[in-house]
Amino acid sequence: EVQLVESGGGLVQPGRSLKLSCAASGFTFSNYYMAWVRQAPTKGLEWVASITNSGGSTYYRDSVKGRFTISRDNAKSTLYLQMDSLRSEDTATYYCTRALGYWGQGVMVTVSS
Amino acid sequence: DVVMTQTPPSLSVAIGQSVSISCKSSQSLVHSDGKTYLNWLLQNPGQSPKRLIYQVSNLGSGVPDRFSGTGSEKDFTLKISRVEAEDLGVYHCVQATHVPYTFGAGTKLELK
Repeated sequence: EVQLVESGGGLVQPGRSLKLSCAASGFTFSNYYMAWVRQAPTKGLEWVASITNSGGSTYYRDSVKGRFTISRDNAKSTLYLQMDSLRSEDTATYYCTRALGYWGQGVMVTVSS
Repeated sequence: DVVMTQTPPSLSVAIGQSVSISCKSSQSLVHSDGKTYLNWLLQNPGQSPKRLIYQVSNLGSGVPDRFSGTGSEKDFTLKISRVEAEDLGVYHCVQATHVPYTFGAGTKLELK
């Protein structure tokens, strides 16, 4: 059974950093593109970043370029999202997804002073 | 960015009724590899999204065949035959042909 379990969320002040992790199991992690998608409270879904199966290529939405870094450790079957210079508009539930097919339960990130 | 226009924003249905949801894109979703990366997701209340349909018309693992997807290029439809209580929630279309990937605004399916 495919499982994606996010961790690392919480309350953080504007301008600070947070690192999300997503532990994957039930499939060969290194075979799949992975992505982070977020959902602000009462809003729709918004793609944040993607990474190829080898980690050789990464893609970001414009509003997080230069602030967020997606990475992966295929030996540990884990996906990461390093979030720096956080803003209030980054407040959302962050979902780890396997190529938009399987989704984790999500982790809440709140950026507030 | 590709704009995904999803309609209607909400639907009120009776159990057993059939419904359709439309998703139109501002650009063709045919990828250079020939595939069309248009998925449909269902987000039950308080839950994370679950994929129903991938590449326009392929049923996701464990998804009942009451769900079907059709369409091509820029015009796509999700049909639910014989709605059941577990189908209630928000439906999202998403395109993964062009970066940034973009979602429709969602269709909320409620009980009449």
